[in-house]
Amino acid sequence: DAKTTQPNSMESNEEEPVHLPCNHSTISGTDYIHWYRQLPSQGPEYVIHGLTSNVNNRMASLAIAEDRKSSTLILHRATLRDAAVYYCIRAGGGSNYKLTFGKGTLLTVNP
Amino acid sequence: DAGVIQSPRHEVTEMGQEVTLRCKPISGHDYLFWYRQTMMRGLELLIYFNNNVPIDDSGMPEDRFSAKMPNASFSTLKIQPSEPRDSAVYFCASSFGGDFRPQHFGDGTRLSIL
Repeated sequence: DAKTTQPNSMESNEEEPVHLPCNHSTISGTDYIHWYRQLPSQGPEYVIHGLTSNVNNRMASLAIAEDRKSSTLILHRATLRDAAVYYCIRAGGGSNYKLTFGKGTLLTVNP
Repeated sequence: DAGVIQSPRHEVTEMGQEVTLRCKPISGHDYLFWYRQTMMRGLELLIYFNNNVPIDDSGMPEDRFSAKMPNASFSTLKIQPSEPRDSAVYFCASSFGGDFRPQHFGDGTRLSIL
């Protein structure tokens, strides 16, 4: 049970922003939201994580809704190298390190 | 900086043979995780260690699977005897501290059991 809901696939054009949504309506107060991505033939790669506030790093931004029931991963300018499966994961309680991966969103970036 | 190193990258063997997958975590990391990825089941956690001690092996599918971490820089996942349904990509990951800290994954071992 991944406990999050994501669209199966999304498409974007190169150099345009991409907003990847995630629903986690049963999230508890101690759950973090993690995003990982997996490029073809590679292991998953950490993207970003957050608890309540919006977060930014060199790869992406994470916008968390005020009620924390949903979040959006934002890639500011998509490149062809961003084509991957993106996983939104909630992990919390005493088992924050136990990541449960769902099916994720397959992002296609068109040149 | 060296990332998580897994070997071999590919393994093809016959049913019934013993298979050993190896992992070298990032130096200084105190958590180590073994995952398995298949088309049917996706990416699932098998077992994880903290400071070389197995903490949770509830994801290990059956007694044919075993994992060890003899020291902070080496772990093995062993399947004996192997079966065709064990065919999958096996990933090792490590992190510094548990909680919410990022896990760093290796490139995986693609295992095919004939």
